[in-house]
Amino acid sequence: GESVGLHLPTLSVQEGDNSIINCAYSNSASDYFIWYKQESGKGPQFIIDIRSNMDKRQGQRVTVLLNKTVKHLSLQIAATQPGDSAVYFCAEGPPLTGGGNKLTFGTGTQLKVEL
Amino acid sequence: DTAVSQTPKYLVTQMGNDKSIKCEQNLGHDTMYWYKQDSKKFLKIMFSYNNKELIINETVPNRFSPKSPDKAHLNLHINSLELGDSAVYFCASSYGGRGTEAFFGQGTRLTVV
Repeated sequence: GESVGLHLPTLSVQEGDNSIINCAYSNSASDYFIWYKQESGKGPQFIIDIRSNMDKRQGQRVTVLLNKTVKHLSLQIAATQPGDSAVYFCAEGPPLTGGGNKLTFGTGTQLKVEL
Repeated sequence: DTAVSQTPKYLVTQMGNDKSIKCEQNLGHDTMYWYKQDSKKFLKIMFSYNNKELIINETVPNRFSPKSPDKAHLNLHINSLELGDSAVYFCASSYGGRGTEAFFGQGTRLTVV
């Protein structure tokens, strides 16, 4: 059965504040990164992606920053809303020499938006 | 107009049974996947098929057998179910080239009792 409580890092923010979710990756050869949002009882949903030839990419209310030097990725959500409450995953695509299109997921961060 | 659909959404079964989960995508993608999400929300790939051909098999017990009758369908059959198989199983699809996002189904919560 399911364990009691999830051992996910949790970020609590006030509605209207900006959220920053961080992710570290290990493979310096990775050249493609994605952020997914997973709401309770649903599958992961694509938010935004970035390739290694960029260090910043913006979407609607979201920005992804990539720091290849320290192998760090962050997702910034502007003006966080209650509907943003979910688990957020970063995922890295296969390295240049790898095959297939396997995504390797990070551990996830639970974002809780407080009213 | 569901993009990636999997059935059933919930599956409760006894140890030792054999069960199947079905997945279909209508996105025209040529690559499909099975991912397993454990109770700590950790997502890990199990299998990947490209145009009905198995291209990724990630150290999964051979009790798990994927089958792809065509590139729009990828089913997962599990023999001799064990308690540790309890998890949420996600089907996903993408275009086969590197550097494209995968689209996920709603998941199948499997509980083995």
